[in-house]
Amino acid sequence: QSVLTQPPSVSGAPGQRVTISCTGSRSNIGAGYDVHWYQQFPGTAPKLLIYGNTNRPSGVPDRFSGSKSGTSASLAISGLQAEDEADYYCQSYDSSLSGVFGGGTKLTVL
Amino acid sequence: QVQLVQSGGEVKKPGASLKVSCKASGYIFSSYGISWVRQAPGQGLEWMGWISGYNGNTKYGKKFQGRVTMTTDTSTSTAYMELRSLRSDDTAVYYCAQLDYGDTWGQGTLVTVSS
Repeated sequence: QSVLTQPPSVSGAPGQRVTISCTGSRSNIGAGYDVHWYQQFPGTAPKLLIYGNTNRPSGVPDRFSGSKSGTSASLAISGLQAEDEADYYCQSYDSSLSGVFGGGTKLTVL
Repeated sequence: QVQLVQSGGEVKKPGASLKVSCKASGYIFSSYGISWVRQAPGQGLEWMGWISGYNGNTKYGKKFQGRVTMTTDTSTSTAYMELRSLRSDDTAVYYCAQLDYGDTWGQGTLVTVSS
């Protein structure tokens, strides 16, 4: 069972907007630690999508956006494309400065 | 370019130890730490720990404390992760990653623990 809770799956049609939630607690996200989001395709290493709650690394389309409030964070993907079909993970830290991941969310583009 | 190259896959017996290497290039090794993350087949990502490339300070995930040791060799810009007392549920792909600034991941090392 992961420290951060994500929905196992989400889906959407091309062009639609989907959101993926990441729920933590007062000992991790709620304690003020940043949330990062990773995208992973089968058989490949994860790739950083959002860092520091809301920031996109160079090269990440602005269709991807992150937000954080209280003990939760969210990843939004607008203008959904077939190539967005992947697994998405949130990551933060706990009060002992150990990293924690969400269980991952599989995005299906219908 | 920044690159992390990991050692090859291994098959281990239960109770054995594992040591994975991660050689960094393209940046000053002592500037950033190395994180270790693993992923069991069909499962999610699991944070194992982090080691400073500057002074070797470590932070281990609670689940692995007492069973994992992370070290670095600054002369070769290489990080190592040793996991002891292997069990079948340690079967996973083990990744090293530089996540302190941006992200760079190794290619992953598949470790199979089986009798």
